[in-house]
Amino acid sequence: DTGVSQDPRHKITKRGQNVTFRCDPISEHNRLYWYRQTLGQGPEFLTYFQNEAQLEKSRLLSDRFSAERPKGSFSTLEIQRTEQGDSAMYLCASSLTGWASGTGGEQYFGPGTRLTVT
Amino acid sequence: GENVEQHPSTLSVQEGDSAVIKCTYSDSASNYFPWYKQELGKRPQLIIDIRSNVGEKKDQRIAVTLNKTAKHFSLHITETQPEDSAVYFCAAAKGPTGTASKLTFGTGTRLQVTL
Repeated sequence: DTGVSQDPRHKITKRGQNVTFRCDPISEHNRLYWYRQTLGQGPEFLTYFQNEAQLEKSRLLSDRFSAERPKGSFSTLEIQRTEQGDSAMYLCASSLTGWASGTGGEQYFGPGTRLTVT
Repeated sequence: GENVEQHPSTLSVQEGDSAVIKCTYSDSASNYFPWYKQELGKRPQLIIDIRSNVGEKKDQRIAVTLNKTAKHFSLHITETQPEDSAVYFCAAAKGPTGTASKLTFGTGTRLQVTL
C-alpha cells in the first residue's frame, strides 16, 4: 500500500497523559498536513509542513500540541497533558506542491488515529 | 479566514436519481475546490476537484460546477447507486504557495441512496 499511513489507528488514554501519533506520507509528497475531525464535522486544519519546515499552525493548536517532521518524511503529532476535549480523529494528509498543467496540490488522507481521552 | 457552508446536511434519493450538494465560500481568493467522500469509519477520499480557471469538470457520474462570481460550487451525482451512500465534504483552499494551501471544509452532507 503506497498511500498515507498512520499509527496507531486507535489510542485510549487517561486525562493528563501524553500521546504521540505518527504519519507516513506518500513517498514523493513534500507537503504533510494534520487535521482534526470530531463526530459529525468536517476536518479542521491544525498544521502543515513543506519538507521539514512547519509553515502554518492553526489557532486550534494550543501549546500542548507539537508537531515535527524532522527529515521531511514522516511526521509526529504529540499532545501533552491530554484533556477530554482532545478526543477526536486525527487525520494526516499529504500532497505535492506545484500547479503546473493544472495538477498537483491534491491532498490524500490517511486512515486517521482515533483518540479517546477518559 | 475562509468560511465554507454546505447544504443540505442530509439528502435522501432513490437509486437512479440525481443528487446535488451545494457549497458557498467567503474568500474570493480561494481557487481550489475539492470534494471528498467519507464512508463510516474510513478516511476522506478525494473524488473530484475543480480549479478556479474552469467552470465545470466531469468524471463519469460525478460533476462539479463553479460560479466564482457568486462564490459557490456544487457536486452533481447522476444515476445514484447504493454505494454512493456516504458523507460528502466540500472544501476550499488558496494555492499554490505560502501558507494558503490548507483546506477549509464544509460541515458535510449525509447522502442516503435507497433502493
